[in-house]
Amino acid sequence: GEDVEQSLFLSVREGDSSVINCTYTDSSSTYLYWYKQEPGAGLQLLTYIFSNMDMKQDQRLTVLLNKKDKHLSLRIADTQTGDSAIYFCAAFSNDYKLSFGAGTTVTVRA
Amino acid sequence: DVKVTQSSRYLVKRTGEKVFLECVQDMDHENMFWYRQDPGLGLRLIYFSYDVKMKEKGDIPEGYSVSREKKERFSLILESASTNQTSMYLCASSASRGQGNWEQFFGPGTRLTVL
Repeated sequence: GEDVEQSLFLSVREGDSSVINCTYTDSSSTYLYWYKQEPGAGLQLLTYIFSNMDMKQDQRLTVLLNKKDKHLSLRIADTQTGDSAIYFCAAFSNDYKLSFGAGTTVTVRA
Repeated sequence: DVKVTQSSRYLVKRTGEKVFLECVQDMDHENMFWYRQDPGLGLRLIYFSYDVKMKEKGDIPEGYSVSREKKERFSLILESASTNQTSMYLCASSASRGQGNWEQFFGPGTRLTVL
């Protein structure tokens, strides 16, 4: 099955940019996603990118996809305290299923 | 607005008890999923279903079973709960093939503690 890997922790100062990185193994993955989980809550889709795109921007969020290296990143501009959460990278390749990374806990410090 | 609801937010059970976790979605989605979430391990798929009465094993099905008698409802059953099943359980649903980007919509989770 597909392996999705991401670093576990990121600490960032309020107002700076955050960059969360993710790698995946299945080159046939068609959709790649970023989900956000706030404390005590389920996962909420932040954004996704289709495999024929290199970049997608949505307000403060920028997703970059390097298909050759199977590398996905999420950049959050002007990080706020409300951005403190766990961020999951996920990949869809076949059989209805998503493969999730372990999640990156982002802590925003004043 | 897609809504996925789970029957309990918190549950405490004793070792050996039979435990039912219920999940309901209101968007007529064909696909439903059960995951468990543990720190440092992310989400691991237990079972999923792509149609009524259909079920498929995920990555960690041992100790669990599921039931899907109606399209909107997907139940996770722990036949005999054990302490290593203490975890956060997340239910999700998605639309079927050809209907979009395969996004999964999640419920709020059930934190299960087995004593």
